[in-house]
Amino acid sequence: GQNIDQPTEMTATEGAIVQINCTYQTSGFNGLFWYQQHAGEAPTFLSYNVLDGLEEKGRFSSFLSRSIGYCYLLLKELQMKDSASYLCAVMDSNYQLIWGAGTKLIIKP
Amino acid sequence: GAVVSQHPSWVICKSGTSVKIECRSLDFQATTMFWYRQFPKQSLMLMATSNEGSKATYEQGVEKDKFLINHASLTLSTLTVTSAHPEDSSFYICSARHGSAETQYFGPGTRLLVL
Repeated sequence: GQNIDQPTEMTATEGAIVQINCTYQTSGFNGLFWYQQHAGEAPTFLSYNVLDGLEEKGRFSSFLSRSIGYCYLLLKELQMKDSASYLCAVMDSNYQLIWGAGTKLIIKP
Repeated sequence: GAVVSQHPSWVICKSGTSVKIECRSLDFQATTMFWYRQFPKQSLMLMATSNEGSKATYEQGVEKDKFLINHASLTLSTLTVTSAHPEDSSFYICSARHGSAETQYFGPGTRLLVL
């Protein structure tokens, strides 16, 4: 079966760095996505990785290692507004998105 | 770019009534649209995938006669919840994708409460 694993909840301090890990087992791979979802709102697109390595976009970076089915989202200089759920999703061989359950990130002052 | 809108954002209705939710891609042509449902504190659940001009493909366990999807144009898809019941109360979110592009862009969601 297809499976995406990510931690249920993480806590970090304002100004710090946090890394949210995600592992996956899917039938085929056509890309890895990270979405941010604030409570009561729809997800917003953060990043897309299709090749191995690190993609940096401002305070957010996303890393992918396809050989081991592993990726992470790195958030630097955390701000209170970064408190949200972060969803890892993999596009499989049928171009369908397989969603993780999301990691709730709590930022403390 | 890549803006998707949904209407209405909130619906409260009586049990047994039907509710229509619209999803529009505002600045691109959405060849594929997706409908998701999300219950509180749970992950997104894909309900169906619709391609413009063809019948929607429903996920296992989703009743196609209860959740009617129409994708008549490249910028509009509608989801109609027929004979809604309290257990249909949920957050319904659409997303859209252009052609073979990988990224899905989400609408703001519609919160449905069935009394």
